[in-house]
This record gives sequence, structure tokens and C-alpha cells, in this order.
Amino acid sequence: DVKVTQSSRYLVKRTGEKVFLECVQDMDHENMFWYRQDPGLGLRLIYFSYDVKMKEKGDIPEGYSVSREKKERFSLILESASTNQTSMYLCASRNGLAGVNEQFFGPGTRLTVL
Amino acid sequence: AQKVTQAQTEISVVEKEDVTLDCVYETRDTTYYLFWYKQPPSGELVFLIRRNSFDEQNEISGRYSWNFQKSTSSFNFTITASQVVDSAVYFCALSEAGTNAGKSTFGDGTTLTVKP
Repeated sequence: DVKVTQSSRYLVKRTGEKVFLECVQDMDHENMFWYRQDPGLGLRLIYFSYDVKMKEKGDIPEGYSVSREKKERFSLILESASTNQTSMYLCASRNGLAGVNEQFFGPGTRLTVL
Repeated sequence: AQKVTQAQTEISVVEKEDVTLDCVYETRDTTYYLFWYKQPPSGELVFLIRRNSFDEQNEISGRYSWNFQKSTSSFNFTITASQVVDSAVYFCALSEAGTNAGKSTFGDGTTLTVKP
């Protein structure tokens, strides 16, 4: 079974802190994604990556950056956390380069920025 | 640009009722893929089904069935004889085959509550 793990289920940070959210998948998938989920807004794509060191902006990249140094790991970075980044963050991975396959999701990280 | 609309924000039914979750999509691609995911209270999204744009066959899996109609750009999901364990948030999603490595667009989700 594909497993996508995220480094923390719950995280509390202070405004201005640098925050790292880590995601690891164990099935050699090419694509990895970071979403945030907010009530009434569904899943919004922050960044995605289709290969090591490759990244593309999603729909809401402002205030975030990402890193993919190894195929299995995709990190989301909040350079200077703000209260409006309080949210549930979901990581996903998918096999193949086209959109045909389903995504596998991690359990999510609920981030609170005080 | 692609778009997915799930007009029903919340639905509440009593156990054993049938319920249909609506999904309407927009895309300019001729090849695309539609998905349904379930997010139970535990939080982890789980894949339910995929449909290709060139395959309009409806599908049934146990109590679940899906109706794909290209003419109305809809991909609706029906649960027959609902159960309490069906309570979850359900997301419809669309991926295009060509650009952006198949970036997916999700609807806002429908929260289904099944009461005993």
C-alpha cells in the first residue's frame, strides 16, 4: 500500500516563525502536491512537483515555498508564518506524469499560527 | 481553466435513505479525468473512483454508483441505503491530461451526515 506520511499532525507556531512541513511517500511517485484545506473552500493547491528539484506554483503560492531534493520527500516552507496561514495542510502523491491516476493523501497537519 | 462545482455544501439524511451528491465541471480539454474522494472524520482523503472523459459508462460498486454525463458536464455520486459510516466530506476532482503534469482541481466538498 502507498503510504504518505506527514511529519506532524498538529503544530502550533508563532507569527514570524519559519515553519517546515515535511511529507514523505514510499512508492516512488513522480508527482507530489501540497494543499491547504479551509472550511467552505475545499482543497486549494499551493505547490506541486513532478520531479526532483522541479516545482510549479499552484493556485495560492504566496507566502509559501517548497523543496524537493529527493524523490520521496516534498517539504512546504512558510518563510514567515502569519495568522492567515492557520489551516489544515495536506500532502499528496501520484504516480505518473499525466492526470490519469489518483492521488494518495497523507493524514494532514493542522497548523495554528498565534 | 478548469473548475469543479459541488453546489451542495451539506446534506443530512436518515440511515437507509438514498442520497445523490452532485458534481459539475468545466474544462476546455477533450481528455480529462474525474475523481471522487471521501474524507472521513479521521481526516485522510481516500480515493473512491476515477472516470475518463472518453468512457461514459456508469459504474456501480456495492451501494455506490456514479453517473457521468458529458452532455451536462456532470459526474454525480449516489449512495444507496446510506449508513452512518458514510458520514464524511466528499470531494469531486478534475485532472486534465496535457498541461501542468495533470494538476487537479477539487470542488469545495459536500459534507454528508447520515443519522441513525
